[in-house]
Amino acid sequence: AQSVTQLDSQVPVFEEAPVELRCNYSSSVSVYLFWYVQYPNQGLQLLLKYLSGSTLVESINGFEAEFNKSQTSFHLRKPSVHISDTAEYFCAVSPRRGNYQLIWGAGTKLIIKP
Amino acid sequence: ETGVTQSPTHLIKTRGQQVTLRCSSQSGHNTVSWYQQALGQGPQFIFQYYREEENGRGNFPPRFSGLQFPNYSSELNVNALELDDSALYLCASSLDSGETQYFGPGTRLLVL
Repeated sequence: AQSVTQLDSQVPVFEEAPVELRCNYSSSVSVYLFWYVQYPNQGLQLLLKYLSGSTLVESINGFEAEFNKSQTSFHLRKPSVHISDTAEYFCAVSPRRGNYQLIWGAGTKLIIKP
Repeated sequence: ETGVTQSPTHLIKTRGQQVTLRCSSQSGHNTVSWYQQALGQGPQFIFQYYREEENGRGNFPPRFSGLQFPNYSSELNVNALELDDSALYLCASSLDSGETQYFGPGTRLLVL
């Protein structure tokens, strides 16, 4: 079985400041890792994913996440946030075999202060 | 390329009624997964359909049922609605039950 823990329910940060959203997971099998973003009153959009290869993955809008197998973590970072990054961010994992069902964290609300 | 679409966008039902939610998968995708997202929580996996067959089910009672059609669109049916069924229902599509799922905008169901 898998579980995902997002350590912060809300993260307030000033505009143009760096941010880190933390995600830890537990699994008895190898997993794929994902970050999805949910803007207010919208569905989920894939932000980035780790399937294999380089443990550092990047998105097109400046976010990056690093897979750390020893610490079972997949923290999301951005060096400088913008007001448009205000959203809820979900970390998810899926087993590498089977139907790849996603197991989700509870989400972290990123609040950008002007 | 057409993305995942869901209908209706919003729905209000009363306890005990039945509801059908619909999902059209992204062009070229043959797998549909359904998730329930209660307010303030992460999504929970309901079930997945791959080439018209159920391909995995989460911890939901049998009154949650589904269907996938030959064009790979899908329905989620919920019978005997309960107040706790109030949630955002998300549909995601993928190719060959693949690891990357793309989500629709969701259907927000309110049970009174």
